[in-house]
Amino acid sequence: DSGVTQTPKHLITATGQRVTLRCSPRSGDLSVYWYQQSLDQGLQFLIQYYNGEERAKGNILERFSAQQFPDLHSELNLSSLELGDSALYFCASSTRTPSGANVLTFGAGSRLTVL
Amino acid sequence: QKEVEQDPGPLSVPEGAIVSLNCTYSNSAFQYFMWYRQYSRKGPELLMYTYSSGNKEDGRFTAQVDKSSKYISLFIRDSQPSDSATYLCASLKTSYDKVIFGPGTSLSVIP
Repeated sequence: DSGVTQTPKHLITATGQRVTLRCSPRSGDLSVYWYQQSLDQGLQFLIQYYNGEERAKGNILERFSAQQFPDLHSELNLSSLELGDSALYFCASSTRTPSGANVLTFGAGSRLTVL
Repeated sequence: QKEVEQDPGPLSVPEGAIVSLNCTYSNSAFQYFMWYRQYSRKGPELLMYTYSSGNKEDGRFTAQVDKSSKYISLFIRDSQPSDSATYLCASLKTSYDKVIFGPGTSLSVIP
């Protein structure tokens, strides 16, 4: 158990629908990152939050949105789903090492299948 | 051009072999370099990280960074079947920056 909790583990839905993925970071970690991993694209950075504020944005579609709440858990909302949105969605939280490296700890992922 | 590139493999080696996994990156501002291991679509887990150029060793694993050539390597000695996984290199500019991953190299260690 990495300490990063993601729910649900698996989700099957239809095109056009909306889903919400949830992430709780490791205790003490203030940053949350969302990544999308599909078979042909690798790990794609979507968005980063730090203590409730958006810190960085990657190639996140306008149909997707996220937020981090005061208790530091985060939600990724995916709407108007398309077949191509089928992927593994990972959440990670980060810790700084003594040397300053930003080390990510990943959750087990949420597997989304859009039919 | 992607910021971090890797040969996707697959790479297949016999048990006990020395494995060399490589990445190149394009952004000279990258200062932190990491290797993650991912088993069968589970969450990636950190293997090693390095700051700037140089070598770092941890058991059977050695990470090497050459900033002059923008080249990152991971060496695995005495490879084991349990090392069979996808290996992802990652880089970032500052400690608060987003982490950019390479596409990963799939490794199989055959008993």
